[in-house]
Amino acid sequence: KNEVEQSPQNLTAQEGEFITINCSYSVGISALHWLQQHPGGGIVSLFMLSSGKKKHGRLIATINIQEKHSSLHITASHPRDSAVYICAAGNSGGSNYKLTFGKGTLLTVNP
Amino acid sequence: GAGVSQSPRYKVAKRGQDVALRCDPISGHVSLFWYQQALGQGPEFLTYFQNEAQLDKSGLPSDRFFAERPEGSVSTLKIQRTQQEDSAVYLCASSMDRHNEQFFGPGTRLTVL
Repeated sequence: KNEVEQSPQNLTAQEGEFITINCSYSVGISALHWLQQHPGGGIVSLFMLSSGKKKHGRLIATINIQEKHSSLHITASHPRDSAVYICAAGNSGGSNYKLTFGKGTLLTVNP
Repeated sequence: GAGVSQSPRYKVAKRGQDVALRCDPISGHVSLFWYQQALGQGPEFLTYFQNEAQLDKSGLPSDRFFAERPEGSVSTLKIQRTQQEDSAVYLCASSMDRHNEQFFGPGTRLTVL
């Protein structure tokens, strides 16, 4: 079973700061997902990547397959970015639909 | 509605009661997933459907948990004889096929007293 670890567990930042959230996993994967969860439970998919780097607005996700590590960066953070950010690793092989989730990083951005 | 919907959003049950949680996936999505998220934890996989076929139920924690998707669209997760440890948010997600991005519903928060 894949083990997915995120750091930090909690992160508090001032508006405008550059944010980095890290994710490491233990075994090979088909893809790495970054998700955003707001209070109340709703989850939004931010990125799905299997190599390199993806960018969407102020969000950037990178992955290093050899090191089994991914990072989510937020530039010019804003209070509306406050949420739980979760990484999830998709299994390799036949059960690649199955996601193993990290516990999440609670981000609070203060104005 | 363009997204995944779930009902009810909140459910309080007495220990021993049966509950049924509903998921309406995005129209045309072949794949449907159920997850259980305990407080302060990441979601954990419960089961996976491709159309009406339940291809993987390896994450269901006990035989009290049962899921179905009889017509390949709406799915129901049923929990019989609920226990306090079943208290969690139950999330449903759908995707065009199993390799694609999953779209999540808002979840059903189940509290068993």
